[in-house]
Amino acid sequence: QSVLTQPPSASGTPGQRVIISCSGSSSSIGSNYVSWYQQLPGTAPKLLIYSNYQRPSWVPDRFSGSKSGTSASLAISGLRSEDEADYYCAAWDNSLRRPLFGGGTKLTVL
Amino acid sequence: QVQLQESGPGLVEPSQTLSLTCTVSGGSISSGSYSWGWLRQPAGKGLEWIGRIYTSGSIWYNPSLQSRVAISSDTSNNQFSLKLTSVTAADTAVYYCARDPTVMDETDWYIDIWGRGTLVSVSS
Repeated sequence: QSVLTQPPSASGTPGQRVIISCSGSSSSIGSNYVSWYQQLPGTAPKLLIYSNYQRPSWVPDRFSGSKSGTSASLAISGLRSEDEADYYCAAWDNSLRRPLFGGGTKLTVL
Repeated sequence: QVQLQESGPGLVEPSQTLSLTCTVSGGSISSGSYSWGWLRQPAGKGLEWIGRIYTSGSIWYNPSLQSRVAISSDTSNNQFSLKLTSVTAADTAVYYCARDPTVMDETDWYIDIWGRGTLVSVSS
């Protein structure tokens, strides 16, 4: 059972902006930075966002992250068909003494 | 660029030990800037962190797996390994090795490079 909560699914049409939420607790997101990962079908996860909003050099600026209190969000603007994937949030939890992942959100591009 | 590749048996019998090795190319696991970890993902499910090793000798484990897991490194071959004892069907998953740039800073934990993953099935 994931301790970070994400909606199981999200969808949008090409060109739209989609936001995926991630809810945690004071010991996880409330105290630590959040990262986001994209997992295309049949492949390994890939880092999208780290330190709440930082993007690795290989990630386009269509992807952005934010955090407020015990929740975080991933926004994808200018939605493309190739964005269809599973998206996971993650953060260290001080009480459990390990990193936690959300259950994942399956993004469908209609 | 740094690449990671998992290797090991794809099938393990119940109660036996799962052993996997991760070979790192394009960079040294002794560089001191990274720790090296293992994660897993059961089919159709989410990700679970297993643990990580910093080649100075520090090792962290998921408390829920700590009694069964061991992570070690072989700097001469630029590899690190995972052993998970007393496996059951619940340990069937794709296992990923990964690079963790956060080393000692747990407040800003993330994985920046993942291996391709290897499926390990536990069955007799």
